[in-house]
Amino acid sequence: DAGVIQSPRHEVTEMGQEVTLRCKPISGHNSLFWYRQTMMRGLELLIYFNNNVPIDDSGMPEDRFSAKMPNASFSTLKIQPSEPRDSAVYFCASRMRESNQPQHFGDGTRLSIL
Amino acid sequence: SQKIEQNSEALNIQEGKTATLTCNYTNYSPAYLQWYRQDPGRGPVFLLLIRENEKEKRKERLKVTFDTTLKQSLFHITASQPADSATYLCALDRGNAGNMLTFGGGTRLMVKP
Repeated sequence: DAGVIQSPRHEVTEMGQEVTLRCKPISGHNSLFWYRQTMMRGLELLIYFNNNVPIDDSGMPEDRFSAKMPNASFSTLKIQPSEPRDSAVYFCASRMRESNQPQHFGDGTRLSIL
Repeated sequence: SQKIEQNSEALNIQEGKTATLTCNYTNYSPAYLQWYRQDPGRGPVFLLLIRENEKEKRKERLKVTFDTTLKQSLFHITASQPADSATYLCALDRGNAGNMLTFGGGTRLMVKP
């Protein structure tokens, strides 16, 4: 079974540029999560979708961050404009809707903003 | 404020010994708690879930306990192997309708042969 697929795996770009991270959840999963992981702050939830609808975006740090889920098999996280402090590993995870089901993570996008 | 604390220092143990990792929390009333394993350059992988009404859960060489009075979970790996070396994260259910999780900072385990 294909797991959660994220692209790109690595992204290096200059400050001020737009960055788009992509995620394909596991087929049949209808909850999707975007996380950010840094050494200082650990794994932080940014936004949560259920049935393609954003349910909780309280973790999105600023208006420079936006996320969409146009259909059940695709989601994007966009940063515009990017800043050096956005450098982190960004993970996407999906899960069956039912409560307490485990989350399945992709292998992340390592983002470096110069 | 809500906190989840895992020992940020690496835990070094000898192969064959039992590794015990701790997850403490404050100002949470989780219905369940999950443990994940994370290898370098990879996303976290689910290992075990334990509910608030369960004291202990086992899976092969893994054992998790959950003490809601102490607000603590212990994660044990018996007969540890070098392949068990990884970072282990605990995650608590936030108790909200979305069943979102809050993750601890993780503890790095190093098993030496």
